Amino acid sequence: GAVVSQHPSWVICKSGTSVKIECRSLDFQATTMFWYRQFPKQSLMLMATSNEGSKATYEQGVEKDKFLINHASLTLSTLTVTSAHPEDSSFYICSARDRAGVHPLYGEQYFGPGTRLTVT
Amino acid sequence: DAKTTQPPSMDCAEGRAANLPCNHSTISGNEYVYWYRQIHSQGPQYIIHGLKNNETNEMASLIITEDRKSSTLILPHATLRDTAVYYCIVPAGPGTYKYIFGTGTRLKVLA
Repeated sequence: GAVVSQHPSWVICKSGTSVKIECRSLDFQATTMFWYRQFPKQSLMLMATSNEGSKATYEQGVEKDKFLINHASLTLSTLTVTSAHPEDSSFYICSARDRAGVHPLYGEQYFGPGTRLTVT
Repeated sequence: DAKTTQPPSMDCAEGRAANLPCNHSTISGNEYVYWYRQIHSQGPQYIIHGLKNNETNEMASLIITEDRKSSTLILPHATLRDTAVYYCIVPAGPGTYKYIFGTGTRLKVLA
């Protein structure tokens, strides 16, 4: 159990276009999802916290108009990179936190496999 | 900033125990310690978590010091597939459950 999927697993897009990445919790409901980005040989950097039915909370330095996050249901959050540029090329990873009482391992996050974005 | 510090890298011989330390000296009384690992180009994988008691599951054991300022993840019989970056995490604050990742420990299991 506790599986998180991401789609697509990799994407190549042209500079100036927008790209949408989906994050789904497959066997549990997630009131909270998180989005991270990771550059080569670096650690994960938290971008934003996504709560179902409310606006996302962005970390300092992350442009909310560039990285649009929608968490419309308890199993789906989306990240849209708008007007992508080559410097947005990165590995984007989502995670989901299980609702209390559903899974016995309350509180930990389950991570998706990641989406590799390349902007040309 | 991350609330944990870990050595940047470690080597371990295959079949031996791998002991990965983590310092979290500013941890508060009700904060859990979580361990994850990330194999190259994959999302982090949950390993184990604990509050104050030592914990064991099918993957690893977690030893937490009595003052809770440090912990050690133990992989009892390391295999080549355990080569990964291991992250020790204390959530950023009560109720937020935000993870701020530190640099982690790059464990290399040697044949």
